[in-house]
Amino acid sequence: DTGVSQDPRHKITKRGQNVTFRCDPISEHNRLYWYRQTLGQGPEFLTYFQNEAQLEKSRLLSDRFSAERPKGSFSTLEIQRTEQGDSAMYLCASSPGRDQPQHFGDGTRLSIL
Amino acid sequence: DAKTTQPNSMESNEEEPVHLPCNHSTISGTDYIHWYRQLPSQGPEYVIHGLTSNVNNRMASLAIAEDRKSSTLILHRATLRDAAVYYCVLGFNKFYFGSGTKLNVKP
Repeated sequence: DTGVSQDPRHKITKRGQNVTFRCDPISEHNRLYWYRQTLGQGPEFLTYFQNEAQLEKSRLLSDRFSAERPKGSFSTLEIQRTEQGDSAMYLCASSPGRDQPQHFGDGTRLSIL
Repeated sequence: DAKTTQPNSMESNEEEPVHLPCNHSTISGTDYIHWYRQLPSQGPEYVIHGLTSNVNNRMASLAIAEDRKSSTLILHRATLRDAAVYYCVLGFNKFYFGSGTKLNVKP
């Protein structure tokens, strides 16, 4: 399967700890997106990359969040000093262009104890 | 931010057509209309998208109002596997999801 891959699928951590998630997009897609989804709600945009450049960040992305996409391939999303409110599903998507459909991974579910 | 309004839930009988409505009165001229569906513990799955004209693919049809302020996703013959949350999504680049419509398909 050559779809979008996310790792880990589940992460349980204590409040205050740092966590990092990884996303491997579809290989020929130059755009990569991160979304957050809480229970019963639709995904909310966090940030996106075109190749290695991070072009936009949502107001939802506080200073504790940082995303990278070195070499324009895989991406990582790090949350520092996690809080209860960070508990959510973190989704990654990729697309070949800005007006093209985004293809989503199955997400990383983060639970903060 | 562009917003969409969808019914919270809908029900259909298996093998019957389903029309899922979406209102998006604040849509901008560059926003594409996308539809995704999502099963529990999975990421959203692309269904169909369009800009101004009606679109058909193997999964569904998308009917877009002339003023683009509303659209309808049409599943021609619902199956049990079509039961999911359906999202009407606006965007040219980053996507704006609403709360979606939970579709229940009865055998």
